[in-house]
Amino acid sequence: KAGVTQTPRYLIKTRGQQVTLSCSPISGHRSVSWYQQTPGQGLQFLFEYFSETQRNKGNFPGRFSGRQFSNSRSEMNVSTLELGDSALYLCASSLGGGAAGANVLTFGAGSRLTVL
Amino acid sequence: DQQVKQNSPSLSVQEGRISILNCDYTNSMFDYFLWYKKYPAEGPTFLISISSIKDKNEDGRFTVFLNKSAKHLSLHIVPSQPGDSAVYFCAASDVRGNSGAGSYQLTFGKGTKLSVIP
Repeated sequence: KAGVTQTPRYLIKTRGQQVTLSCSPISGHRSVSWYQQTPGQGLQFLFEYFSETQRNKGNFPGRFSGRQFSNSRSEMNVSTLELGDSALYLCASSLGGGAAGANVLTFGAGSRLTVL
Repeated sequence: DQQVKQNSPSLSVQEGRISILNCDYTNSMFDYFLWYKKYPAEGPTFLISISSIKDKNEDGRFTVFLNKSAKHLSLHIVPSQPGDSAVYFCAASDVRGNSGAGSYQLTFGKGTKLSVIP
């Protein structure tokens, strides 16, 4: 079964621009989460979507937003890019059920964003 | 405020010996813990997990130990193999406290880079 697919894998933007990243979850997975990985901070939670609704949000400014479509695919958007937004953005999907053991996150390979 | 801490940024171990990776947490509401492994240019891969109602979970060469009173967990890899060389992330979740049905936010440590020397 296909894994979590993220596009694009690499991109370079300049300060002030905006970027949209895409994530296709594993078939049947209804929950999609986004994480930012930077060398100094590790993996930090951005937000989680389930059935097109944002269920949880991390401590990031409003420039970071996301959405989920009816087919569970998700996008995240970062507006007015800053140098500090350079990071690996990871998408993860899970079944999204209630049992802890059923909610193991499966990660994609990530989208590496460089802001110049 | 770092709720999950991996105090060793790196660890080197000889092939065949035991690797012990440590993780401490501060949030007493965490009730589910996971270890992920990450190779360069790939996303993290789930390795093993443990619920707070247990103190040990074993899967092949990997065993996770949980000490709730000390808010400490560790991952043991025995025997260590060169292919185990990767960055290992400890993660925790407050499953009971999360809103909705199974909202599942993970709090990660900053990772420990394990190098297994042949």
